[in-house]
Amino acid sequence: GAGVSQSPRYKVAKRGQDVALRCDPISGHVSLFWYQQALGQGPEFLTYFQNEAQLDKSGLPSDRFFAERPEGSVSTLKIQRTQQEDSAVYLCASSLAKGVFRVEYFGPGTRLTVT
Amino acid sequence: AQKITQTQPGMFVQEKEAVTLDCTYDTSDPSYGLFWYKQPSSGEMIFLIYQGSYDQQNATEGRYSLNFQKARKSANLVISASQLGDSAMYFCAMREGGGTYKYIFGTGTRLKVLA
Repeated sequence: GAGVSQSPRYKVAKRGQDVALRCDPISGHVSLFWYQQALGQGPEFLTYFQNEAQLDKSGLPSDRFFAERPEGSVSTLKIQRTQQEDSAVYLCASSLAKGVFRVEYFGPGTRLTVT
Repeated sequence: AQKITQTQPGMFVQEKEAVTLDCTYDTSDPSYGLFWYKQPSSGEMIFLIYQGSYDQQNATEGRYSLNFQKARKSANLVISASQLGDSAMYFCAMREGGGTYKYIFGTGTRLKVLA
């Protein structure tokens, strides 16, 4: 069975470039999360979708970060005018439904390096 | 205040022995879930085990068990019969009821299994 997939796996961007990171959740999973994981740290929440609705974007670090999930399946995280502090692994996770006791399944992540 | 605390940055264990990875949490919400993930060097977050706040018994999944002590607010992961492939980062995470249900992660423990 297919798990969560993310592309690209690695991205090198020059400072100031825009990047787009893609997430394909597990089919049928309603909830989708994006996390940012800095080197040596635990993942930190960025944003959450339930179907196509972005219900929480409180973790997005600046207005340069934008996420969408227009048809309630694939999601894209876009970072405009990248900065060096954006270098991190970006993890996408999905779960079957919203709820305290639901397990999230993670993709392999996209490692972004801004030079 | 830290919501999830993992006080062991690194741990060593001999192959075939058991090891306990510590996790304490802080919440006033009566509904919450506690989760453990393994992150090998490849970067993917692999779900291991889950405990709900209302569960009466400690969760077990194969060689993994969760020592849940609600009054002490601890949710330690026990790995029995350690294998070389268990060498990885281990993250404890909590999800509280209400709102987004996003994960809050600890800083992780790096486990090294010795042959």
